[in-house]
Amino acid sequence: DTEVTQTPKHLVMGMTNKKSLKCEQHMGHRAMYWYKQKAKKPPELMFVYSYEKLSINESVPSRFSPECPNSSLLNLHLHALQPEDSALYLCASSPPSGGQETQYFGPGTRLLVL
Amino acid sequence: GQNIDQPTEMTATEGAIVQINCTYQTSGFNGLFWYQQHAGEAPTFLSYNVLDGLEEKGRFSSFLSRSKGYSYLLLKELQMKDSASYLCAVRGMDFNKFYFGSGTKLNVKP
Repeated sequence: DTEVTQTPKHLVMGMTNKKSLKCEQHMGHRAMYWYKQKAKKPPELMFVYSYEKLSINESVPSRFSPECPNSSLLNLHLHALQPEDSALYLCASSPPSGGQETQYFGPGTRLLVL
Repeated sequence: GQNIDQPTEMTATEGAIVQINCTYQTSGFNGLFWYQQHAGEAPTFLSYNVLDGLEEKGRFSSFLSRSKGYSYLLLKELQMKDSASYLCAVRGMDFNKFYFGSGTKLNVKP
């Protein structure tokens, strides 16, 4: 299994809603990532979990709250988002050993905030 | 800070060869990666370089010069399906941190 899955594929939410994005991998990877990608821009790193502990937070606003319940799952909880948060949210995972092992990306959740 | 530069857009003809350049200045280097991304889809891994020289994988090759902070991706025998964005990414001192360039949009025309 070399797949990272993400649900939902699409999400429309209002600025007062609370929703969650989910990511799952069964490759035994111990690093998991959230990226945000706007149209025609590169992915921007938001959070990194390493061995289920938050290791990198790129000064992301608190309306985004990550959670790593176990080594296979990664969630991103959303609350009181702004229209400018509309983007493609990508989850990725990678093995801890580095080397030529790259990140494997999920298909993304396309989020629209109204 | 980290700086990774790529051309914004390139156009090439089906069957031809195209070279996409990437220059980087990062604090720490643990490998350079190339990804392909079709519109609205996730990036997919193409190649990896950590030592100087050329890595070849079928129609795709990637070159690295660490002393010059320079890499290129070479695509041969272009096909229409190669129309996509190509992202250069450098892994920094922290193995978990990847710095992405802005991507090069490649248009392949008949």
